[in-house]
Amino acid sequence: AQTVTQSQPEMSVQEAETVTLSCTYDTSESDYYLFWYKQPPSRQMILVIRQEAYKQQNATENRFSVNFQKAAKSFSLKISDSQLGDAAMYFCAYRSVESNYQLIWGAGTKLIIKP
Amino acid sequence: EPEVTQTPSHQVTQMGQEVILRCVPISNHLYFYWYRQILGQKVEFLVSFYNNEISEKSEIFDDQFSVERPDGSNFTLKIRSTKLEDSAMYFCASSAQQSGGSGYTFGSGTRLTVV
Repeated sequence: AQTVTQSQPEMSVQEAETVTLSCTYDTSESDYYLFWYKQPPSRQMILVIRQEAYKQQNATENRFSVNFQKAAKSFSLKISDSQLGDAAMYFCAYRSVESNYQLIWGAGTKLIIKP
Repeated sequence: EPEVTQTPSHQVTQMGQEVILRCVPISNHLYFYWYRQILGQKVEFLVSFYNNEISEKSEIFDDQFSVERPDGSNFTLKIRSTKLEDSAMYFCASSAQQSGGSGYTFGSGTRLTVV
């Protein structure tokens, strides 16, 4: 079974600086999707960025980018120019395309932005 | 931008009572999901639904749970006899494709409190 691990329960960063959130996963599959979701205090789940495993190029969405290392099964999220509105829980999630289609979630990382 | 709408935002119910959580997925989406998040814990998959039937369900989704798409727009989760441990945030999500490339769109959640 697939698992997703986020080893950082909490991270803090100074406003305007860059922070990287870690995510590793375990799978025997070759094709899958990876996602980062943001959950602000309102608790809504917001898609930040996604990556298809068959694409070597790292996904980028404005200030958010990933470092996808397929061989290492690593999928870290880099947030550049951190803003106060980035403060939230960040969840890494995995989705298989071969066997089932549910999202498998990491435990989350709480990101604190220091003004 | 299209949204997934969930109602109510917060529901308090007595143990043993039935509750129905409602969701209106994005209109052209075909795949629907329920997840739950117990406070301080991982997000957990409950069930996926396609073509008016359950396509996958987790061990959590036992006989006390059921899902329905009663008209062409609503997607409901019913919990027949609530238990204290059902207290959680329940998220509805929908996607256009089962393969997951588009990611899910989540609703803002229903906070269920069982007393």
